[in-house]
Amino acid sequence: RKEVEQDPGPFNVPEGATVAFNCTYSNSASQSFFWYRQDCRKEPKLLMSVYSSGNEDGRFTAQLNRASQYISLLIRDSKLSDSATYLCVVIPLGQAGTALIFGKGTTLSVSS
Amino acid sequence: EAGVVQSPRYKIIEKKQPVAFWCNPISGHNTLYWYLQNLGQGPELLIRYENEEAVDDSQLPKDRFSAERLKGVDSTLKIQPAELGDSAVYLCASSSPPGANVLTFGAGSRLTVL
Repeated sequence: RKEVEQDPGPFNVPEGATVAFNCTYSNSASQSFFWYRQDCRKEPKLLMSVYSSGNEDGRFTAQLNRASQYISLLIRDSKLSDSATYLCVVIPLGQAGTALIFGKGTTLSVSS
Repeated sequence: EAGVVQSPRYKIIEKKQPVAFWCNPISGHNTLYWYLQNLGQGPELLIRYENEEAVDDSQLPKDRFSAERLKGVDSTLKIQPAELGDSAVYLCASSSPPGANVLTFGAGSRLTVL
């Protein structure tokens, strides 16, 4: 089983739709979680951190479920500019800054 | 402020030839990473430096790959000889406390081996 698993998609949604991605991780001792965004042929960029209490940044909401070992990303009122690949990132316990483990990414395509 | 700078952006070589990639991290960032990204995959760590010390190179194929960060600033990743399967994007990233878990990536070096 891979350490971080994501549904690769693609998720094809119309503008204004709400879409959610999930990511599961295998190491129960993982301590830090992030979502990165990667546009086509560009480098990954940090989208948001994921906290146990959940966190929201505008139209984006990230949740962590430690019991089930998954994190989620919810995008409300999708925009064309949200089209990208969303990478789930996990850092195992005791390896802060040393072993960011990336998922394969979930591709989102928002159409008008 | 300049971000992470990588060169070359694109490189096409024939198999068995050598190739080198260069990275200049964000000024003041002590930690430098080299990642490999294949098409449709997430980035995979090759090597991590803390200043000039390689602290995690367990995933670096040492038979053909080498890296250095001599003065703890810029870094070079070399492949010799290149194989067809090395075709990928080589991403450099840097970070620094207190945001040590937040990486800033360069634009990447796209390698095609023919």
